[in-house]
Amino acid sequence: NAGVMQNPRHLVRRRGQEARLRCSPMKGHSHVYWYRQLPEEGLKFMVYLQKENIIDESGMPKERFSAEFPKEGPSILRIQQVVRGDSAAYFCASSGQGAGYNSPLHFGNGTRLTVT
Amino acid sequence: DQQVKQNSPSLSVQEGRISILNCDYTNSMFDYFLWYKKYPAEGPTFLISISSIKDKNEDGRFTVFLNKSAKHLSLHIVPSQPGDSAVYFCAASEGNAGNMLTFGGGTRLMVKP
Repeated sequence: NAGVMQNPRHLVRRRGQEARLRCSPMKGHSHVYWYRQLPEEGLKFMVYLQKENIIDESGMPKERFSAEFPKEGPSILRIQQVVRGDSAAYFCASSGQGAGYNSPLHFGNGTRLTVT
Repeated sequence: DQQVKQNSPSLSVQEGRISILNCDYTNSMFDYFLWYKKYPAEGPTFLISISSIKDKNEDGRFTVFLNKSAKHLSLHIVPSQPGDSAVYFCAASEGNAGNMLTFGGGTRLMVKP
């Protein structure tokens, strides 16, 4: 069952270090979305990418955060110089098309980032 | 500015009875609505969706109702089962915004045997 794969499942970083979160979409999906869930809150949209393109990054903090989805390989969400407030669950989702009523997002199991 | 709100953080229901989860939204441009179920330490799983051209969509034990004039939707689970115990998220999107979903804060459903 080739669902959305995220790794690592758990990541611990000290303040000031870099965190790299990886996401492989479902087979055949070329649209990737990153969401963040803070404790006791809902998921918040961060960024939407297609292969080699960032389509919408309106939900991503302007500093320290970046995302890419190269032609080959997984999508990467990178957080530089992490702070305690970055501690959250980061979920990746994919879809077969960017718009339309019949393509719900399929989520991975998330990466839980803890900043100490 | 919460565009999608789930005002009940938790709900407890007896097995076999109906569970009703509610969701309100403020953005009149939303035209596609979804419910996701989430177990601890897992990602959200798509449950059911409805477009704004409908007012009801049914899939087995799950039915979603949409009241556009009230900007309100609800998820009915009948009959409720202990395995339904999870956090349920309501989500919405605008048709021309792809699948950039706006999520509510979630409702934790507990179905007691």
